[in-house]
Amino acid sequence: QSALTQPASVSGSPGQSITISCTGTSSDVGTYNYVSWFQQHPSKAPKLMIYGVSNRPSGVSNRFSGSKSGNTASLTISGLQAEDEADYYCSSYTGSSTLYVFGTGTKVTVL
Amino acid sequence: EVQLVQSGAEVRKSGESLKISCKGSGYSFTDYWIAWVRQMPGKGLEWMGVIYPGDSDTRYSPSFQGQVTISADKSISTAYLQWSSLKASDTAMYYCAKRSQVSRYTVDVWGQGTAVTVSS
Repeated sequence: QSALTQPASVSGSPGQSITISCTGTSSDVGTYNYVSWFQQHPSKAPKLMIYGVSNRPSGVSNRFSGSKSGNTASLTISGLQAEDEADYYCSSYTGSSTLYVFGTGTKVTVL
Repeated sequence: EVQLVQSGAEVRKSGESLKISCKGSGYSFTDYWIAWVRQMPGKGLEWMGVIYPGDSDTRYSPSFQGQVTISADKSISTAYLQWSSLKASDTAMYYCAKRSQVSRYTVDVWGQGTAVTVSS
């Protein structure tokens, strides 16, 4: 099971919206609505931002939203803030012996 | 408060064995699977495997099958990740994470990470 494909980097100015894509296959993202997104600041543990494609855990800002179309899931951050600068990883359930797979990760820079 | 507390940083030589731990508290340990995730220096996250503490059923990602052993002792709410013979390429940060309270298919609480350094 190969890693899901994400852009290496995405940047935006404060207040803008950015979207990070996460491309998988029909064996993972395309079949299961179990895509999650994690935020990781340097030297910190990851934090769950989105689960089940588009659901936000309690306490996560509504500036973060998720969606999916076909084999590609997306994370949108609206009203970009300096604190959003971090690495973001998608993850999908695969239904196979692998169980789960992460994306390659995207570094978000706030200009 | 739901927490996962991992054991401290380790420095070993190639060929040595190692077992690191992840202790859960604030929830029913046997009801939520625990995952182990590797992050090599400057690299991304990788799922290593999952254990169901209630019955110790364990699933490994193919890349890690045969390379590590995941176990759990439900009597002390602790999961483990162990190596019988470390390699320099095992140098990484290792995280444990528990199944989410709201979804069976993700994790919502992470340990603080255990840094493992293996010298050749």
